Amino acid sequence: GQQVMQIPQYQHVQEGEDFTTYCNSSTTLSNIQWYKQRPGGHPVFLIQLVKSGEVKKQKRLTFQFGEAKKNSSLHITATQTTDVGTYFCAGQAGTALIFGKGTTLSVSS
Amino acid sequence: DTEVTQTPKHLVMGMTNKKSLKCEQHMGHRAMYWYKQKAKKPPELMFVYSYEKLSINESVPSRFSPECPNSSLLNLHLHALQPEDSALYLCASSPSGDGWWWQFFGPGTRLTVL
Repeated sequence: GQQVMQIPQYQHVQEGEDFTTYCNSSTTLSNIQWYKQRPGGHPVFLIQLVKSGEVKKQKRLTFQFGEAKKNSSLHITATQTTDVGTYFCAGQAGTALIFGKGTTLSVSS
Repeated sequence: DTEVTQTPKHLVMGMTNKKSLKCEQHMGHRAMYWYKQKAKKPPELMFVYSYEKLSINESVPSRFSPECPNSSLLNLHLHALQPEDSALYLCASSPSGDGWWWQFFGPGTRLTVL
């Protein structure tokens, strides 16, 4: 079946360092979405990418969608302790979202 | 109102109990979802209702029974659960079920089956 692979599974950084998580799909996606889940919380929608090669920025977060619409990345510049949580990519295939396994980010000050 | 609410927040039940989880949204969304999430895992889709009709059932055991009484409400009826069903149950909604919208998640019900 369709899969969305996400790496790394865990990442620990010092506050101020950059962080990147990558997603790769086995099939072409109609769009890709990113969610953040804080410890003990629920997934919160961050952004949706639809177009091939699309790049979107939200303050310190930069999201990219690959030219072939099979991969995506989330880059956080100068991490802060508030960035702690698990970041999930989710590829849209038909009417279902296929979630990656997530990257859990921890930040030490 | 831009949120999805879920009740109860926590639920402990025995394997012979019958209980229900409730989800509500007043954003006019026409697609609603049930997910199951185990610790340190991604949400796992269980059911999708689109325009109040069940459109996706991801081979979920019959001890889980969804119900969509109207466009704002979604229930999940639980009966004869197993301890391995203990998890966070998340409800989500989306403006439509056509696959072009993101999903708003509720805070979840943390279920423990004894």
